[in-house]
Amino acid sequence: NAGVTQTPKFQVLKTGQSMTLQCAQDMNHNSMYWYRQDPGMGLRLIYYSASEGTTDKGEVPNGYNVSRLNKREFSLRLESAAPSQTSVYFCASIGQGVMGRAYNEQFFGPGTRLTVL
Amino acid sequence: RKEVEQDPGPFNVPEGATVAFNCTYSNSASQSFFWYRQDCRKEPKLLMSVYSSGNEDGRFTAQLNRASQYISLLIRDSKLSDSATYLCSNNAGNMLTFGGGTRLMVKP
Repeated sequence: NAGVTQTPKFQVLKTGQSMTLQCAQDMNHNSMYWYRQDPGMGLRLIYYSASEGTTDKGEVPNGYNVSRLNKREFSLRLESAAPSQTSVYFCASIGQGVMGRAYNEQFFGPGTRLTVL
Repeated sequence: RKEVEQDPGPFNVPEGATVAFNCTYSNSASQSFFWYRQDCRKEPKLLMSVYSSGNEDGRFTAQLNRASQYISLLIRDSKLSDSATYLCSNNAGNMLTFGGGTRLMVKP
């Protein structure tokens, strides 16, 4: 049970290049999320997918697109990278809390550190 | 105003001290609340959920005050290993919102 996995772990892009960040979870969770984390800004929600086939904008969606490929996978695409998108990107999914409690515990992937030059 | 707010700190405390963090939230529809711990350059990991009746896990106690819309985390007998950033989070529907985190540094 790998939990939430993300690839790549590190990436350096030039301004204007495109790339896709991959995320997969093997916990059979319905909801998946993409966050970015910048120093002093905490975690900011980019997009989320409440279930397979649906996606919604979060707090900072501009410059990003997402695809919920299936229940396991949720990808984040930067079509034309900008230096302002230099950040650490975390993917997360939600499942039942421990002991069967109906509180939604969020599990995070290890993050992708992206630098845009 | 941010939806979830935390004092960024840092809180510098000696080993053995008791330290408390608060986190305020503005969405009264929030249904569940969490404290996460994040170590430097790592992903956040769930520390504890926050239940309406309050809950305790070893040295850690979490409280929820719905009337004043804040949650708190109390750490007793601080250890060097408690040094980290503590993030609070709330869940309204499918949206999870995080505070900016409070940095704790426990010194010998």
